[in-house]
Amino acid sequence: DVKVTQSSRYLVKRTGEKVFLECVQDMDHENMFWYRQDPGLGLRLIYFSYDVKMKEKGDIPEGYSVSREKKERFSLILESASTNQTSMYLCASSFSVTGLSDTQYFGPGTRLTVL
Amino acid sequence: AQTVTQSQPEMSVQEAETVTLSCTYDTSESDYYLFWYKQPPSRQMILVIRQEAYKQQNATENRFSVNFQKAAKSFSLKISDSQLGDAAMYFCAYSEYNNNDMRFGAGTRLTVKP
Repeated sequence: DVKVTQSSRYLVKRTGEKVFLECVQDMDHENMFWYRQDPGLGLRLIYFSYDVKMKEKGDIPEGYSVSREKKERFSLILESASTNQTSMYLCASSFSVTGLSDTQYFGPGTRLTVL
Repeated sequence: AQTVTQSQPEMSVQEAETVTLSCTYDTSESDYYLFWYKQPPSRQMILVIRQEAYKQQNATENRFSVNFQKAAKSFSLKISDSQLGDAAMYFCAYSEYNNNDMRFGAGTRLTVKP
């Protein structure tokens, strides 16, 4: 079974803090994704990565950055957390060859509250 | 950009009954994938069912089946013999062929009544 883990289930931070959310997958997947989930809006893509050190912006990259130094690990960074970044953050991974879309496997999510 | 619409924010069903969740999408592509994901309360999101647009046959997975109407751009999920464990948020998603950009609907919260 594919396993995608996220470093924290719940996180409380203060405005202006730098926040790191970590995601690890154990299935040698090429692609990794960060989404934020808000009620009534579904999931919105923040960033994705299709290879080590490669990244692409999603729909809402403002205020976020990412890092992928190893294939199995994809980090989401909030450089200076703001209250409007309070949300559920979901990490996902997928295996794809030559860019073909494939099923995404999700982590349990991190509920981030910024005070 | 492609959009996915789930017009039912909430649905409820009696245990052992059948329920259908609606999903429509907008695309100009002919090759794409459609998905239904399930997110139980406080638990991980998991894939329920997947449909390739080039396949005319509707996908089925045990009690879960879809009604894929390509011309109408409709992709509904039918859950038969509903169980208490089916209670969850259900998300419809679309992904283009050869593209990792997956689009999600807003979700439908399904309640199962004993």
